[in-house]
Formats: sequence, structure tokens, C-alpha cells
Amino acid sequence: EVQLVESGGGLVQPGGSLRLSCAASGFSVGTNYMSWVRQAPGKGLEWVSFIYSGGSTYYADSVKGRFTISRDNSKNTVFLQINSLRAEDTAVYYCARDGREELQFAFQIWGQGTMVTVTS
Amino acid sequence: EIVLTQSPGTLSLSPGERATLSCRASPSVSTSYLAWYQQKPGQAPRLLIYGASSRATGIPDRFSGSGSGTDFTLTISRLEPEDFAVYYCQQFSSSPRFGGGTKVEI
Repeated sequence: EVQLVESGGGLVQPGGSLRLSCAASGFSVGTNYMSWVRQAPGKGLEWVSFIYSGGSTYYADSVKGRFTISRDNSKNTVFLQINSLRAEDTAVYYCARDGREELQFAFQIWGQGTMVTVTS
Repeated sequence: EIVLTQSPGTLSLSPGERATLSCRASPSVSTSYLAWYQQKPGQAPRLLIYGASSRATGIPDRFSGSGSGTDFTLTISRLEPEDFAVYYCQQFSSSPRFGGGTKVEI
């Protein structure tokens, strides 16, 4: 079964750091395009970052320089290192696989999300 | 920067009725890169439509997408109780963006 499971969220103070993980099953993260998308409480969806199958990475302007996406193919896991956290980073963070390899230019598969709360 | 504006913000309908949701893009978006998602409370989004009009795997045929350029529409032909949710359109590019969402409520 194709599945994504996020972990690593929690309560953190402003300026702090967290490392989110997204464990995949049923497919290989190393040969797919993976993303992180977040949703602040009661708000809409915001794309955060891509990692392409070739390893290139892209970020939303709102997180550039503070967030880093990476992957470990041996663990079939994608990570999001989030530093210098701000109150506005409070959100549910979803991992997603996009379907461009199948010419489906959309986020096909989503994890259940992990909550990050930034508060003093 | 592409901006997606969804309307209406909230749609109040009854089961069995037809729902028509709008997504306006500025500037225009390629049909290949326009998607629609459904999100229920406490759940992750679910892909409904990609390429503006192609249903994702397992999506019932009461859901349909249409449009091109700057105007796109998601239509639910006959609302089932499980269809009451928030719907987002999205343009898929090197910097994907989502619309603000339309809530379909009973």
C-alpha cells in the first residue's frame, strides 16, 4: 500500500528548531518528487518545499533560508529541517508525493500531517 | 506570481443538489497544471481532479472539472452527504499555489 507517515512535530519556542520526518511505503522517495505543504490552524494550504528525484530542492519565499528539505533513500524517508521558527510557522505540516512521473501534475498522495506549534 | 481566487467562499446546499465551484487564475494557468482537492475536518487533502478535468483514481464520476486559461470550475452533480467539505484549487508549477478554498456546507 502506498502510504506516507509524518512525525517529529511538537511544541517549540520561537527561534527553535525541529526536524520533521516523512516515512514512505509502497514506493521509493528517491525516484519520486516529494513536497511539504503546511496549513495554519483554520487557514488554507501553503506549499513549502520540493525535492526532485534528481535531488534539486525548491522553497517558498516564506521559508527560504530557514527550512531545508532532504531525503535518505536507504530509509525511504524525506525530512524537513525547520530552523529559526516563528509564530507564523505554526501549522500542520503534510508530506506529499506529486504525480508528474505519471503526467499527473498534482499532489497524489498525502500523509496524515504532523502539528508544529511555535509558542513562548 | 499566479494568484488563484476561489468563489464563493461558502456554498450552502442540500444533498442531491448540484454544486458549482469557481477558481479564477491571474495570470492564466495551463490546464495541465490545474488541480482540485477535497479536505474534510481533521483530514489531509485528497486529490480529486488533475489536468483541470481528469478524475484521480477512485473519484466518483459525480465530480467533474472544466475550464481553461483563467477560469476553472469544479462541479459536483448531485451532492452526497460525504461531499460536504472544503475544496481547493491549485496551480502546479515550480512554486505551487492554492486558492483560498470554498466550503460546501449543508
